[in-house]
Amino acid sequence: QKEVEQDPGPLSVPEGAIVSLNCTYSNSAFQYFMWYRQYSRKGPELLMYTYSSGNKEDGRFTAQVDKSSKYISLFIRDSQPSDSATYLCAMSALYSSASKIIFGSGTRLSIRP
Amino acid sequence: EAGVAQSPRYKIIEKRQSVAFWCNPISGHATLYWYQQILGQGPKLLIQFQNNGVVDDSQLPKDRFSAERLKGVDSTLKIQPAKLEDSAVYLCASSLDISNQPQHFGDGTRLSIL
Repeated sequence: QKEVEQDPGPLSVPEGAIVSLNCTYSNSAFQYFMWYRQYSRKGPELLMYTYSSGNKEDGRFTAQVDKSSKYISLFIRDSQPSDSATYLCAMSALYSSASKIIFGSGTRLSIRP
Repeated sequence: EAGVAQSPRYKIIEKRQSVAFWCNPISGHATLYWYQQILGQGPKLLIQFQNNGVVDDSQLPKDRFSAERLKGVDSTLKIQPAKLEDSAVYLCASSLDISNQPQHFGDGTRLSIL
């Protein structure tokens, strides 16, 4: 079993729809949860960074973390064609003097005009 | 604020040759990471530095991969000799420090092995 599971998609939705992206994980030591957006031939771009359980909102993006269920989500409101990209979840924990960081495999999202 | 710089953007070599990648992190960032991203997968952490010291290289194939970060700023990642399965994008990231500060990525070097 992978430590982080993410549905690879592809996911195709019409412009203006609400998008829901999810990841599950198995390691309860993870404390920090991130969502990255990656366009083709570009590096991952940080969208959301959260610590522990709860919600965090930034513009059209909302990140949710449920540590009891080991489940994280990213919601995109009023989706735009420019949101078409691969979305990567990532989670990390501190061990001794290093970070353990695991990425999901990414979900390909396409927003239809 | 200038982002993470990487070069070259693309590299094509034959198997058993050697190759090196260069990374310049965001100014003031103490922690530097190298990742391997195979097509269709998420990035996999290879090695992380805190200033000029290695704090974790447990995922680095040390028989062929090496990395250094002289003077705690720029870093190079080398592969010698390359294998076909090393074809991937090699990403560099940096953060303010090791304590789970968010990481910022460069655009990577796309390596193709013939």
